[in-house]
Amino acid sequence: AQSVTQLGSHVSVSEGALVLLRCNYSSSVPPYLFWYVQYPNQGLQLLLKYTSAATLVKGINGFEAEFKKSETSFHLTKPSAHMSDAAEYFCAVSAKDTGRRALTFGSGTRLQVQP
Amino acid sequence: GAGVSQTPSNKVTEKGKYVELRCDPISGHTALYWYRQSLGQGPEFLIYFQGTGAADDSGLPNDRFFAVRPEGSVSTLKIQRTERGDSAVYLCASSKSGLVLENTQYFGPGTRLTVL
Repeated sequence: AQSVTQLGSHVSVSEGALVLLRCNYSSSVPPYLFWYVQYPNQGLQLLLKYTSAATLVKGINGFEAEFKKSETSFHLTKPSAHMSDAAEYFCAVSAKDTGRRALTFGSGTRLQVQP
Repeated sequence: GAGVSQTPSNKVTEKGKYVELRCDPISGHTALYWYRQSLGQGPEFLIYFQGTGAADDSGLPNDRFFAVRPEGSVSTLKIQRTERGDSAVYLCASSKSGLVLENTQYFGPGTRLTVL
């Protein structure tokens, strides 16, 4: 069975500072990995996904994530935070070996951006 | 183009009642998923449809929960004899196909269910 751990339920950064949201996965076979963002009263929106091509994945809104097999990590970063980045971020995995389609989500990290 | 839509946006019901939650996927998407998100948690998978058939219902918590997709488009999640623990946001997602590499799931805004 696969699982995802997001370290830090709340992260606060200053506007213009680096954003780093941590995600570690547990899976016998490296899975497909996703980052979703959820703005208040809105649906989940895909930021980026890793499907075993390039290990550094660029997404929307200036976000990127790097797949590190040795560390079983897929941390999300953005060089400079904007106020509009304040939201909840979810890391998710999907099995590559079983073909099971369901996403398994982490418990989320709420990002606050201070002016 | 239109995204995934869900109705109602909010549903308040009493313990023991029956509820139906509706999902309209993105046009042409053959795969449809239901998830449940409790307060402070990530979404949890309930069921996945490929076309009209339930390809994976391993996430349904018990037999009070049932979902259908009779024509391969709109889906209805049905909950019988609701309990207070069923209170959550129910999310629907669709993807273009069931192929894993095309498994980008697009989510609707959810239905917030409150069981009193």
